[in-house]
Amino acid sequence: DIQMTQSPSSLSASVGDRVTITCQASQDISNYLNWYQQKPGKAPKLLIYDASNLETGVPSRFSGSGSGTDFTFTISSLQPEDIATYYCQQYDNLVMYTFGQGTKLEIK
Amino acid sequence: EVQLVQSGAEVKKPGESLKISCKGSGYSFTSYWIGWVRQMPGKGLEWMGIIYPGDSDTRYSPSFQGQVTISADKSISTAYLQWSSLKASDTAMYYCARAAGLIAARHFDYWGQGTLVTVSS
Repeated sequence: DIQMTQSPSSLSASVGDRVTITCQASQDISNYLNWYQQKPGKAPKLLIYDASNLETGVPSRFSGSGSGTDFTFTISSLQPEDIATYYCQQYDNLVMYTFGQGTKLEIK
Repeated sequence: EVQLVQSGAEVKKPGESLKISCKGSGYSFTSYWIGWVRQMPGKGLEWMGIIYPGDSDTRYSPSFQGQVTISADKSISTAYLQWSSLKASDTAMYYCARAAGLIAARHFDYWGQGTLVTVSS
């Protein structure tokens, strides 16, 4: 099984800050890495797919990068509505998926 | 408009069976994988398994293999997740999600609203 290590597990930042979350895979996953946002009481929402592609309708302050085993998710300027938990998710060619442990983002 | 609509909340006793559903609309149901994701109270997302309604090809996470059964009825565009004997530890929110991607179904682009399952004596 491919393991995903996401960090940090929680993060406190101010409005306007640049926020970065990382995800590391236990083996090379090419660019098969996605990022989701989950607000309390809601279903997850896809933000970034295939490591760096912005899902339609998602604000451009969200971005992703990386390939192989190391990936980064960035919010360029934190907004109050970005308060949520963020998850990375990998896919392997056996039609198997794994989520990272999540990063809870709070406003300072 | 793509929609996944899940069945309502359930309260069950340990040992009981349960089948929850996820009905897709607004797209070709047989052309996309449908996955199931568990979220235990206050915890993260766990991928359980996935089915391709077109031919019922089904894959399970090793953590859930043998614990649940995933099925689909393409005639009514509905996927199912079922348990034969529930445990208290099955208490969780369960989401279905459509898997999509240009070459392979690598990400989940549409999600159901979730079904809360509570197992308590």
